[in-house]
Amino acid sequence: DTAVSQTPKYLVTQMGNDKSIKCEQNLGHDTMYWYKQDSKKFLKIMFSYNNKELIINETVPNRFSPKSPDKAHLNLHINSLELGDSAVYFCASRKGPVAFFGQGTRLTVV
Amino acid sequence: AQKITQTQPGMFVQEKEAVTLDCTYDTSDQSYGLFWYKQPSSGEMIFLIYQGSYDEQNATEGRYSLNFQKARKSANLVISASQLGDSAMYFCAMRERWTGANSKLTFGKGITLSVRP
Repeated sequence: DTAVSQTPKYLVTQMGNDKSIKCEQNLGHDTMYWYKQDSKKFLKIMFSYNNKELIINETVPNRFSPKSPDKAHLNLHINSLELGDSAVYFCASRKGPVAFFGQGTRLTVV
Repeated sequence: AQKITQTQPGMFVQEKEAVTLDCTYDTSDQSYGLFWYKQPSSGEMIFLIYQGSYDEQNATEGRYSLNFQKARKSANLVISASQLGDSAMYFCAMRERWTGANSKLTFGKGITLSVRP
């Protein structure tokens, strides 16, 4: 009964490809996020959605497109992958003060 | 200016001892929240504890307590009776306008804690 689950956990792909990461939460939360953790472990917000509506878009290249088909899901699609996109991507959800994170997706672009 | 500062180099603690992980923050908001997350080597982000800016008492969750000093803008994490499983990276984070849908977590750079047997 994982609260916030992401798939896949690992993703290795070639430059130029398009890939998607899926996220689902079963907590009934209204707000969902995507965060990126770079190679130095620094975490930065990318997007947030509230009730399927985009709230925060933190100057992310438009190759990254989040999609929220319903409140429980927030997927991240990345076009034309670049080497610099290699990172760990975390989905999170929140209703009250606390955000709960998924287990992360380690994306490696080769 | 950095909103969350974690300046300690990697920390070491003997098993069963207490350890304090430092965090200072910067905000002009009156309403904000401070959070600590743990990231073990397996990679997941685990919520540990939070403190609201208006909370009078320091937050505690089991072996974790948050030493909140508002005037100094510090929110240090205290782990009592350290266990080997506490070895991990620890992140301090802040959410400004913390009940708003447009609020976001801003993280510090983290600190690595190693517990020695």
